[in-house]
Amino acid sequence: GESVGLHLPTLSVQEGDNSIINCAYSNSASDYFIWYKQESGKGPQFIIDIRSNMDKRQGQRVTVLLNKTVKHLSLQIAATQPGDSAVYFCAEKAQGAQKLVFGQGTRLTINP
Amino acid sequence: SQTIHQWPATLVQPVGSPLSLECTVEGTSNPNLYWYRQAAGRGLQLLFYSVGIGQISSEVPQNLSASRPQDRQFILSSKKLLLSDSGFYLCASRREWANTGELFFGEGSRLTVL
Repeated sequence: GESVGLHLPTLSVQEGDNSIINCAYSNSASDYFIWYKQESGKGPQFIIDIRSNMDKRQGQRVTVLLNKTVKHLSLQIAATQPGDSAVYFCAEKAQGAQKLVFGQGTRLTINP
Repeated sequence: SQTIHQWPATLVQPVGSPLSLECTVEGTSNPNLYWYRQAAGRGLQLLFYSVGIGQISSEVPQNLSASRPQDRQFILSSKKLLLSDSGFYLCASRREWANTGELFFGEGSRLTVL
């Protein structure tokens, strides 16, 4: 469910390393999942999505993994760059639902 | 792709004053429209969504209201602002017929209530 009142957890990685951002979801009826990137002072931007009939989907430098057994979603960013610094949100949608439910978000910071 | 316009981008208002934030959408028709609020350093809270003109669903009780006078226009309002209304307000759109849940977000309106 939504955790809008909590402070964002932070993940710090070295530039060039791979980043893994994790997300737990609660609704077993969710069949669509999506990752957003939000830079400071801007609206969220789509990164990658995945349907529940898939376990893995790859994009450019990003991979989303879905484990339906434990209701876990992860975003992997390869060769992290300074421009990857942002808050990353996962979101889920149940079949037939009209809205996305967002996770609490993770702030990714890149160390030079 | 869709473009979401929000204004004003920044707003400072005294407690008790009214509010009107506007959102318009280009590049699609019959979209589902959403208002989210984001407190500083926090996640996204869904406030309202609309599946059509004049149709508003409220997600949380509050002193805010939403209206959809036209297909691609979504307005967030308040008659009397509270300090707790401060935050970053995001409008989002999804194609009504889309088989995905992807939302397109605007650039946000930052509201400070003093």
